[in-house]
Amino acid sequence: KQEVTQIPAALSVPEGENLVLNCSFTDSAIYNLQWFRQDPGKGLTSLLLIQSSQREQTSGRLNASLDKSSGRSTLYIAASQPGDSATYLCAAPDMEYGNKLVFGAGTILRVKS
Amino acid sequence: GAVVSQHPSWVICKSGTSVKIECRSLDFQATTMFWYRQFPKQSLMLMATSNEGSKATYEQGVEKDKFLINHASLTLSTLTVTSAHPEDSSFYICSASPPAGAFTDTQYFGPGTRLTVL
Repeated sequence: KQEVTQIPAALSVPEGENLVLNCSFTDSAIYNLQWFRQDPGKGLTSLLLIQSSQREQTSGRLNASLDKSSGRSTLYIAASQPGDSATYLCAAPDMEYGNKLVFGAGTILRVKS
Repeated sequence: GAVVSQHPSWVICKSGTSVKIECRSLDFQATTMFWYRQFPKQSLMLMATSNEGSKATYEQGVEKDKFLINHASLTLSTLTVTSAHPEDSSFYICSASPPAGAFTDTQYFGPGTRLTVL
């Protein structure tokens, strides 16, 4: 059964810093991995979807990498801004049950101005 | 494209009443829809998977008689919380997945419904 772990649980950085959020998963036979953003009391916003054949995906200041062999993904945020403050979730499919997603507990990010 | 809506966005009800939450895929047909629950400061936990025209598959520990799921069409799934109690208060989020090969094999998430049971 897939298990997804995210570290750190919380992160507070000054504006402008580059930062890395980590995600690890136990079943490496995944076909993709997704990163989401969730603002307080809101739903999920999909940030990046990395297919298993890709090693990374970029969208603006966000870059996500995927290393299936080690069971790890990282989300890199460049030049962080206060508007980046949110909870970041990664999710990997539970390969035993098809396309069910298993979410990590999330990293709560606060970017201070 | 690939927009999923939920209605209502929030609801407050008395203990013992039933509440229905709708999940709609607005611009694509969803053969599969998923219902998640999120308690405060926790991550999303899958409650059930529903396929159009068939019974939902519930995760272990989720009471199927309490959380009734109906996926009657390719664009609509409903979750009914029956005889709601304060411990059912939570954020309910649905997601929808298009047919394999339609877009990608990803899920598209709705904005969530905040349920508060008094």
